[in-house]
Amino acid sequence: EDKVVQSPLSLVVHEGDTVTLNCSYEVTNFRSLLWYKQEKKAPTFLFMLTSSGIEKKSGRLSSILDKKELFSILNITATQTGDSAIYLCAVEALGGTYKYIFGTGTRLKVLA
Amino acid sequence: NAGVMQNPRHLVRRRGQEARLRCSPVKGHSHVYWYRQLPEEGLKFMVYLQKENIIDESGMPKERFSAEFPKEGPSILRIQQVVRGDSAAYFCASSPTGNQPQHFGDGTRLSIL
Repeated sequence: EDKVVQSPLSLVVHEGDTVTLNCSYEVTNFRSLLWYKQEKKAPTFLFMLTSSGIEKKSGRLSSILDKKELFSILNITATQTGDSAIYLCAVEALGGTYKYIFGTGTRLKVLA
Repeated sequence: NAGVMQNPRHLVRRRGQEARLRCSPVKGHSHVYWYRQLPEEGLKFMVYLQKENIIDESGMPKERFSAEFPKEGPSILRIQQVVRGDSAAYFCASSPTGNQPQHFGDGTRLSIL
């Protein structure tokens, strides 16, 4: 059965810290891996990764995919209280049609 | 440039009633997806629709649940004869094509009394 596992489940850090969130997967017919940030409302899109070893960067956030070891990491540097959210990892895999399989998320809390 | 719009934001129903959840995709997006999120769980795929067609409903319970995306108007997720276990957040997402990132709405939180 296809699965996506995120770790840690939750994390508490202080402003200015750097955090690394992990996402590992076991799926058949992988197409892409996506990261979303979910605060109280809609998950908002962060990154879409399709190729191994190519880092995607947006401000203080960056992410990379390893298709050989089947995982991705999301890094956040110089964390701010506004980074507090649940970070969701989704893998797009073929099961009939291509669909997203989500992990349970990592709940990040950044303290002032 | 409105994003995905879902309504209502909160819906309360008694057991046995019907729940109708609406989703208007981003303008120009013809692919719509519905997900269910239970407390402390990840989003679970339910159904994938394009205009007037159900493409993949493999995540939908076989009974009481149905979805449509008519030629005009929003996509509707319909739950008949609701039970307590249907209480969850239901999210809709849309994309312009089938292989571009999905953009999510704020969700409808369904509570069953």
